[in-house]
Amino acid sequence: KAGVTQTPRYLIKTRGQQVTLSCSPISGHRSVSWYQQTPGQGLQFLFEYFSETQRNKGNFPGRFSGRQFSNSRSEMNVSTLELGDSALYLCASSPPLPNYGYTFGSGTRLTVV
Amino acid sequence: QKEVEQNSGPLSVPEGAIASLNCTYSDRGSQSFFWYRQYSGKSPELIMSIYSNGDKEDGRFTAQLNKASQYVSLLIRDSQPSDSATYLCAVMVNNNDMRFGAGTRLTVKP
Repeated sequence: KAGVTQTPRYLIKTRGQQVTLSCSPISGHRSVSWYQQTPGQGLQFLFEYFSETQRNKGNFPGRFSGRQFSNSRSEMNVSTLELGDSALYLCASSPPLPNYGYTFGSGTRLTVV
Repeated sequence: QKEVEQNSGPLSVPEGAIASLNCTYSDRGSQSFFWYRQYSGKSPELIMSIYSNGDKEDGRFTAQLNKASQYVSLLIRDSQPSDSATYLCAVMVNNNDMRFGAGTRLTVKP
């Protein structure tokens, strides 16, 4: 059974650019959550999607956005990149009963220079 | 007050000892609790879940939950160097919103 797939694994972008990250959940998982992980702040919740609808959103500026497609694949976009956006971006998927916990992808390491 | 709080550590224990990791949470209505292990450079992996007050054992790991005190803990018995990692406490604050603590870094010394 394939796990959660995130692409790309690594990205280097320049301040002011925008970036799109992709996440394919485990087959049958319809919920996808996105987190930002930095050494100082730990895992910070960005947003969660279920059946193409954003159900929850964390405390991030509007530069951070996402969407989910009908096949449950999800993308997140960060516009007007800032140096502080450098982080590991993790996607997690969960089964219809989320109390079983999340499965994380390997993450996308974004570096903004 | 942070939603999920953990001692950041680092926590160092000798091989074979018991490692005790603690976590408190603020939302009294939370129903599901998880422990994740994250090795350096890797993504978090789920190691334990607990939903009811009391203890839940899985091999060398025991999760403990006290909802009245809003407290979750993880005990690792017979700690091994391979257990050296950051341990993340996670709380499901509603059916689709999981919040994480900052993590406790554990080092098991041979």
